Amino acid sequence: AQSVTQLGSHVSVSEGALVLLRCNYSSSVPPYLFWYVQYPNQGLQLLLKYTSAATLVKGINGFEAEFKKSETSFHLTKPSAHMSDAAEYFCAVRKGGGSQGNLIFGKGTKLSVKP
Amino acid sequence: DAGVIQSPRHEVTEMGQEVTLRCKPISGHNSLFWYRQTMMRGLELLIYFNNNVPIDDSGMPEDRFSAKMPNASFSTLKIQPSEPRDSAVYFCASSPGTLDGEEQYFGPGTRLTVT
Repeated sequence: AQSVTQLGSHVSVSEGALVLLRCNYSSSVPPYLFWYVQYPNQGLQLLLKYTSAATLVKGINGFEAEFKKSETSFHLTKPSAHMSDAAEYFCAVRKGGGSQGNLIFGKGTKLSVKP
Repeated sequence: DAGVIQSPRHEVTEMGQEVTLRCKPISGHNSLFWYRQTMMRGLELLIYFNNNVPIDDSGMPEDRFSAKMPNASFSTLKIQPSEPRDSAVYFCASSPGTLDGEEQYFGPGTRLTVT
């Protein structure tokens, strides 16, 4: 069965610092991976997705993630944090192989950005 | 496009009362998902529909919960009778279809409080 693990429920960085949010997945078939962001009192919004094309995926707001099969990881990074990046971030996996699989979400990582 | 529309945005009700949450997916989307988000359990898929047909309802907590999709532009999630432990934010999401790389578009959510 597919699953994702997000390491660290809370991450705090200073404005301008590197953002690194960790996600490891478990999947018996080639996975499709997603990062979503949730701002307070809003729904989830897609940041980026990996669909077996390039392993380095660029998303919105300067975020990117790299798919590493050997490490079963899909960590989210941004070179320089901005105050507006403060939000909760969710990693999700969807089973590949042409199935009608659902998205399985991680528990989320809340990002705080200090001035 | 207006995006996924949910109503009401907030609902406060007393234990034992019936609650109906509503969702209008993005026009042209064939898949619709209902999620529940709590601090304890994170984001859980309750049920999803494809072409108005329920595909997987294994996440529905118990018989008190029911969901319908009478047409392509409307879905309801009903809780009868409601209990305090049902307090959560309920999200509706839609996607164009069931292809593996397709993202889900989330509504703003309904915050339900059962007293």
